[in-house]
Amino acid sequence: AQSVAQPEDQVNVAEGNPLTVKCTYSVSGNPYLFWYVQYPNRGLQFLLKYITGDNLVKGSYGFEAEFNKSQTSFHLKKPSALVSDSALYFCAVRDPRGSGYSTLTFGKGTMLLVSP
Amino acid sequence: ETGVTQTPRHLVMGMTNKKSLKCEQHLGHNAMYWYKQSAKKPLELMFVYSLEERVENNSVPSRFSPECPNSSHLFLHLHTLQPEDSALYLCASSQDTTANTGELFFGEGSRLTVL
Repeated sequence: AQSVAQPEDQVNVAEGNPLTVKCTYSVSGNPYLFWYVQYPNRGLQFLLKYITGDNLVKGSYGFEAEFNKSQTSFHLKKPSALVSDSALYFCAVRDPRGSGYSTLTFGKGTMLLVSP
Repeated sequence: ETGVTQTPRHLVMGMTNKKSLKCEQHLGHNAMYWYKQSAKKPLELMFVYSLEERVENNSVPSRFSPECPNSSHLFLHLHTLQPEDSALYLCASSQDTTANTGELFFGEGSRLTVL
């Protein structure tokens, strides 16, 4: 079975500072990994994904994530946080050996609060 | 319209009511999903339809009944719900192919409150 852990319920950072939102995963084989963001009263929006290749993946809104196979981690990062980045962030994993439809397993989410 | 549209956005119902949530996708996808989002819990996958056939049903109580009349529409029929069923219900779609890398496209959700 696949699983995702987001160890922090909330991350607080000052605007302009770098941010990191942590994610570790468990899956048999090589994983597909995703980050989604949810703004208040909205659905989830895709940010970025790791499928294969370069361990550093760049996505929307200046976010990036680093895949670390030995640590089974996929932490989300941004060099300089904006107040508008404040939202709920979800990490997700998929075993690519599965079917064609997307049975993603999500973490419980991490609330990012960026203060002015 | 583009993307994934869910209606209603908000629903309040009593435990004896019958109501339905509707989802429509305009992306040409052939797989659709219902997720349940409760506070401080991981998103729970409820149902998956691929090519209009239900392919996953993750131990969801029978008071939730999905319907997928075609590849663009997905319903969640609700009957005799409990207060603990109050949550945000999210619909998503994707393209079901062997080349699919797994990205889901979500609607904005239907906030359900059961009194």
